[in-house]
Amino acid sequence: NAGVTQTPKFRILKIGQSMTLQCTQDMNHNYMYWYRQDPGMGLKLIYYSVGAGITDKGEVPNGYNVSRSTTEDFPLRLELAAPSQTSVYFCASAYGQNQPQHFGDGTRLSIL
Amino acid sequence: GDSVTQMEGPVTLSEEAFLTINCTYTATGYPSLFWYVQYPGEGLQLLLKATKADDKGSNKGFEATYRKETTSFHLEKGSVQVSDSAVYFCALHTNTGNQFYFGTGTSLTVIP
Repeated sequence: NAGVTQTPKFRILKIGQSMTLQCTQDMNHNYMYWYRQDPGMGLKLIYYSVGAGITDKGEVPNGYNVSRSTTEDFPLRLELAAPSQTSVYFCASAYGQNQPQHFGDGTRLSIL
Repeated sequence: GDSVTQMEGPVTLSEEAFLTINCTYTATGYPSLFWYVQYPGEGLQLLLKATKADDKGSNKGFEATYRKETTSFHLEKGSVQVSDSAVYFCALHTNTGNQFYFGTGTSLTVIP
């Protein structure tokens, strides 16, 4: 049982480049989330989804986009990478609204 | 708005010492409360949870009691081990929205 899988684990981008962080879960969870974790800052919610075809903004959505075409996948898109987006990104999923979240191992992204 | 405040770290303890990590919250409605643990290089894992006042969550020797009168959910363990070294996050979820709110994390190092 893989749980939540994120790819890639590490990536270095140049300013202005774009990329997609992949997230997939095999638990048939409806709820999926993207967070960024900056040193000493805890987790900040970027976007979330309550089911296929439905997405909504979290606390820090600027500079990011998401889509949810299937229950399993919830990719996060950076269109014009900026140094402020250097962070560790975590994807999570949950069975329901108030249920514990299951996290992937994270993607460490550096933008130079 | 909803928020969680954790005691600042880092915390360094000797093996078999008693651990307390303080967590207080501000929330509208009736939140569920969670403690997550993050080991180096990994995503967050659920440690324990409590969904209503006076509930006690427990797991792996850790405990936390949901105190509505003091809006607190302090994490305790009677005898820590080196393997407990990690970052601990307090989190809440209210039934008025779809978001989890995480504290900034408390780093624990246990020395032999």
